[in-house]
Amino acid sequence: SQTIHQWPATLVQPVGSPLSLECTVEGTSNPNLYWYRQAAGRGLQLLFYSVGIGQISSEVPQNLSASRPQDRQFILSSKKLLLSDSGFYLCAWKGGAGYEQYFGPGTRLTVT
Amino acid sequence: SQQGEEDPQALSIQEGENATMNCSYKTSINNLQWYRQNSGRGLVHLILIRSNEREKHSGRLRVTLDTSKKSSSLLITASRAADTASYFCATDRPGAGSYQLTFGKGTKLSVIP
Repeated sequence: SQTIHQWPATLVQPVGSPLSLECTVEGTSNPNLYWYRQAAGRGLQLLFYSVGIGQISSEVPQNLSASRPQDRQFILSSKKLLLSDSGFYLCAWKGGAGYEQYFGPGTRLTVT
Repeated sequence: SQQGEEDPQALSIQEGENATMNCSYKTSINNLQWYRQNSGRGLVHLILIRSNEREKHSGRLRVTLDTSKKSSSLLITASRAADTASYFCATDRPGAGSYQLTFGKGTKLSVIP
């Protein structure tokens, strides 16, 4: 069966510090991968998606970046965090011809 | 921009009652999905309805889709305390590569035991 992992689960970082969030998927190959951000009490905002290794598309301009160094690994990064980067970050995957997306447990990021 | 908008934003009911949530969207779709999110957790896929379907059932869930009104509803029958969660509709973007979804802001459902 497929499993998706995210770490860390929670993170408190000062403004201006770097960020690296990791997402890995098990039990599937060549998935589409997605990074979303969810502000408190809000819906999900799609940040990045990837259809393959090294292929990243950005939905919104911001100080975040994403990379996909391996087929089932998706990394969200920032060189300098802003207060507005606080939120709940969710990674998701989609496989094959299906339309459903499967989400990881999320990372709660607080920028202080 | 938000494609789906859920209504109401919050709903509180007694255990055993039915809960109905609505979703409206703006552009054409291939399908519409509903997801559940327990507090502080990831989203869980509940049900998908295609644009050529009008109604779909899964256990205690019933989803309807009216493409002429660009709206969908999710009905949870005989609610349980464990149904307490936020519910989101998500629509696809026809023609968009990589199959992207646009989520609404969600309906927060509280089921009181």
